[in-house]
Amino acid sequence: QTVVTQEPSFSVSPGGTVTLTCGLSSGSVSTSYYPSWYQQTPGQAPRTLIYRTNTRSSGVPDRFSGSILGNKAALTITGAQADDESDYYCVLYMGSGISVFGGGTKLTVL
Amino acid sequence: EVQLVESGGGLVQPGGSLRLSCAASGFTFSTSTMNWVRQAPGKGLEWVSYISATSSTIYYADSVKGRFTISRDNAKNSLYLLMNSLRAEDTAVYYCARFWGGSYYDPDYYFDYWGQGTLVTVSS
Repeated sequence: QTVVTQEPSFSVSPGGTVTLTCGLSSGSVSTSYYPSWYQQTPGQAPRTLIYRTNTRSSGVPDRFSGSILGNKAALTITGAQADDESDYYCVLYMGSGISVFGGGTKLTVL
Repeated sequence: EVQLVESGGGLVQPGGSLRLSCAASGFTFSTSTMNWVRQAPGKGLEWVSYISATSSTIYYADSVKGRFTISRDNAKNSLYLLMNSLRAEDTAVYYCARFWGGSYYDPDYYFDYWGQGTLVTVSS
């Protein structure tokens, strides 16, 4: 069974930079998995941030960027703001209509 | 404006059934691939099911295979999830989401639109 791994939690200072990662329990993440990232605050629906590894969704500030770092997909927030405090989920597309979500990273800005 | 509005959630006993609906507007539903994604209380997101635009291709997560049935009515711009043999572990907020697949020459795979979700609670 494919497991997508994310850091359970992370903290960043206001104005700081943080990189969240998205890996595979076995193997490397590449652009072929079409990594995407979603932001979710409590009680709200997910919001699409990044798709196709590094393309920002409409209206997403450019302080959010996506990339492949080593063998993982990565979401970098540059100049973190208080309202970036959220849960962040990556999704890898496995083909045949199957998408696998990572466990999510709870980001604290303090 | 794109809208996905889920309905049909509620409290159901273990072993019971429930049918969720998702009403879509603001985009061409009949050519869109749709999915259901769920989130158990305090847990992460979990992909549940996928249906292609014409209903010709359907997939399920192993956790719901054989119990859940996804369907759609393009004439009504609606997506459905029939859930049978419900278990306590099916308790979750269920989201419908459009899945953007791009084009043949420029594929893409991600969830671009999300509903607000409907809560399903399985408990006696």
